Amino acid sequence: AQTVTQSQPEMSVQEAETVTLSCTYDTSENNYYLFWYKQPPSRQMILVIRQEAYKQQNATENRFSVNFQKAAKSFSLKISDSQLGDTAMYFCAFMKQEYGNKLVFGAGTILRVKS
Amino acid sequence: ETGVTQSPTHLIKTRGQQVTLRCSSQSGHNTVSWYQQALGQGPQFIFQYYREEENGRGNFPPRFSGLQFPNYSSELNVNALELDDSALYLCASSLGRQNTGELFFGEGSRLTVL
Repeated sequence: AQTVTQSQPEMSVQEAETVTLSCTYDTSENNYYLFWYKQPPSRQMILVIRQEAYKQQNATENRFSVNFQKAAKSFSLKISDSQLGDTAMYFCAFMKQEYGNKLVFGAGTILRVKS
Repeated sequence: ETGVTQSPTHLIKTRGQQVTLRCSSQSGHNTVSWYQQALGQGPQFIFQYYREEENGRGNFPPRFSGLQFPNYSSELNVNALELDDSALYLCASSLGRQNTGELFFGEGSRLTVL
């Protein structure tokens, strides 16, 4: 079975600074997807960024980028130029390629952006 | 485009009772997944419905059951409620059974079991 571990229960960062959230996972699969989802307080969870395991290039979405280390089974999220609206719970998630939509989530990291 | 909506938003039940939670998928989406998010934890996959049929189930007992209707809306039913069933129940919709994992979530139904 796959497991996803987020070792940082809480993080804080000053507005405009950069922060990195950590995630490790365990799997014997070779083809899979990794995700970071954001869950703002009392709002819907939304997809932040997605990485296909077969791609060596790290995914980027505007201020969000990942450092995907397949051999180390590590998938960290870097948020640049942090904004107050980035305050949320961030979940790392894993999905086997043939298991559409069945995500395995980590326990989450609460990120607080301070002004 | 209408997003995913869930009802009720909050509810309180007692042990042994039954509960039904409802979800309307995003317009055009034919796949609905349900997740349970206990306090302080990440969501856990309960099951998924694709075109009215169950298409995969997580590690949840049979007292967790579901339905998907022809309009792709869905229900989650939980019988014989236990205290540990207290959680936020999230519905997520997507297009297709095997896509690349982008789910569109509702705001959830928070269930408290006393």
